[in-house]
Amino acid sequence: AQSVSQHNHHVILSEAASLELGCNYSYGGTVNLFWYVQYPGQHLQLLLKYFSGDPLVKGIKGFEAEFIKSKFSFNLRKPSVQWSDTAEYFCAVNALSGNTPLVFGKGTRLSVIA
Amino acid sequence: KAGVTQTPRYLIKTRGQQVTLSCSPISGHRSVSWYQQTPGQGLQFLFEYFSETQRNKGNFPGRFSGRQFSNSRSEMNVSTLELGDSALYLCASSLRQGPYEQYFGPGTRLTVT
Repeated sequence: AQSVSQHNHHVILSEAASLELGCNYSYGGTVNLFWYVQYPGQHLQLLLKYFSGDPLVKGIKGFEAEFIKSKFSFNLRKPSVQWSDTAEYFCAVNALSGNTPLVFGKGTRLSVIA
Repeated sequence: KAGVTQTPRYLIKTRGQQVTLSCSPISGHRSVSWYQQTPGQGLQFLFEYFSETQRNKGNFPGRFSGRQFSNSRSEMNVSTLELGDSALYLCASSLRQGPYEQYFGPGTRLTVT
């Protein structure tokens, strides 16, 4: 069964610092990849997605993610974080073959301090 | 376009009772998935419905069930509630069944006492 690992449970950054959140998955076949964000008190929102093509995908609010197939990774990046980026970030993977559901990582809580 | 709506938003139940949660997907979306979110386990998949049929089921006991209506609205039911069922239950809708982006509702916070 596929699984998703997010290595960092809680990340604390100062404003303007660069961000990289790790995500690795275990599945040998073709996958669709997602990053979702959950701001305090709000529902899960799609940040960006990768289906095929350019492995560097850009999402909303200046976020981007790079799919490295050989490393089974889909790390999320942002060059300069803002206080408003404080949220929980979830990586999710969906295998294209077989009737498999969307599988989420356990999430990384990001706290941005002034 | 209105987003995914879930009712009720908050619910307090006693052990042994049963509960029904409701989800209305985005207009035109035909797939509805349900997830349980807890601090310890994160988001865990419950089931997916498409065209009124359950297409996929997660690793939850039979006390958890669901259904989808012809207008794509979905309900999930939990019978014989246990303390461990306390969680945020999220509904997500998608245009089609399968590996496509899902749009989440605000969730129903269930507390079992």
